[in-house]
Amino acid sequence: GQQLNQSPQSMFIQEGEDVSMNCTSSSIFNTWLWYKQDPGEGPVLLIALYKAGELTSNGRLTAQFGITRKDSFLNISASIPSDVGIYFCAGQLISSNTGKLIFGQGTTLQVKP
Amino acid sequence: DARVTQTPRHKVTEMGQEVTMRCQPILGHNTVFWYRQTMMQGLELLAYFRNRAPLDDSGMPKDRFSAEMPDATLATLKIQPSEPRDSAVYFCASGSPDRIYNEQFFGPGTRLTVL
Repeated sequence: GQQLNQSPQSMFIQEGEDVSMNCTSSSIFNTWLWYKQDPGEGPVLLIALYKAGELTSNGRLTAQFGITRKDSFLNISASIPSDVGIYFCAGQLISSNTGKLIFGQGTTLQVKP
Repeated sequence: DARVTQTPRHKVTEMGQEVTMRCQPILGHNTVFWYRQTMMQGLELLAYFRNRAPLDDSGMPKDRFSAEMPDATLATLKIQPSEPRDSAVYFCASGSPDRIYNEQFFGPGTRLTVL
């Protein structure tokens, strides 16, 4: 089936550092979403992207929809301890109109105070 | 504050027992998704409904799993009989996808343990 390759799989960083993670695929997407999951909770939507090249910010988070429509990245600036969690990318294939999303395997972020 | 709600939050049961998980989607959302999350497989889509009709349940083991939407405010996922390998966190998500917007909003999940 279709896959999203999300990297890195995990990150352990110092508080205050910037973080970057990305998702790539061989398929073309018309939607990219980024979620964060805290322990014991469901994923929470952070940023939604709908146009190739689109760059969107949400506080210290910035995400971009790749110009080729096959990738997306998420940056977190000046990380803080509450940024800890699992970050997922998700996308809808351009060939789909059902709302079905494909999810990456997640990036686990740990922040050392 | 519109949220997806799921019950129960935790369920421990013995192998062979029936398990029913419930989800209340966000009011006005017309599409409901059921996911299963495990460490090994990540987030797997089991089934989803639009306007209460099943669109795709190909991700679901049909012999023991069933999903229904008896009305617009309730979706159910049932496992009968349950097996230890069904132990996972089950999430419900809802949305109103159209040609442009495809956001899904997740509930808190049901953590299922089958002994």
